[in-house]
Amino acid sequence: GAGVSQTPSNKVTEKGKYVELRCDPISGHTALYWYRQSLGQGPEFLIYFQGTGAADDSGLPNDRFFAVRPEGSVSTLKIQRTERGDSAVYLCASSLLAGSYNEQFFGPGTRLTVL
Amino acid sequence: EDKVVQSPLSLVVHEGDTVTLNCSYEVTNFRSLLWYKQEKKAPTFLFMLTSSGIEKKSGRLSSILDKKELFSILNITATQTGDSAVYLCAVGSAGNQFYFGTGTSLTVIP
Repeated sequence: GAGVSQTPSNKVTEKGKYVELRCDPISGHTALYWYRQSLGQGPEFLIYFQGTGAADDSGLPNDRFFAVRPEGSVSTLKIQRTERGDSAVYLCASSLLAGSYNEQFFGPGTRLTVL
Repeated sequence: EDKVVQSPLSLVVHEGDTVTLNCSYEVTNFRSLLWYKQEKKAPTFLFMLTSSGIEKKSGRLSSILDKKELFSILNITATQTGDSAVYLCAVGSAGNQFYFGTGTSLTVIP
């Protein structure tokens, strides 16, 4: 596709359940970022990948959050034992290369609601 | 602690007005400052600034960075209803992380 895509667009789950959020970056982009955006806030960094490896996962809030990018393209953000406080929009962005001089292209996000 | 602060938090103007949005930052090992427009979900890129005093311009939008005073401004002239959105400022660091502000919500009334 032409841009970054994310699925599902909306996810409603119950407290304690496991969820997976998927991100399809722009073809050829080596860097992929995950952000979490709560209502009225700016995106908060979670993790970024350079290729297949997680170059920086310091933004993951706790060990219930995990992300993978096994083939250096599609990435999945996994949240175990979801809590109500995990409710937010999860944004994915990709860039041609990693680094602060490279423009990031954002996907439409997944709105996660934990009941 | 690294932080990015935007002001005002929200702004309501009439079509044709000019607005100035502010972004100040305290980020270790600054590398770049970016402005995004967020209408529904996906932020869309507007500008990237890396050098002080050099204005970036695109149509009615322009932005400039002051690395000495640690701030940037985004100007929008002759505002239109389509400019209504949240404008996000993000600062990139040497660690390849981007720190976002909370955004300025702009509403342009016809």
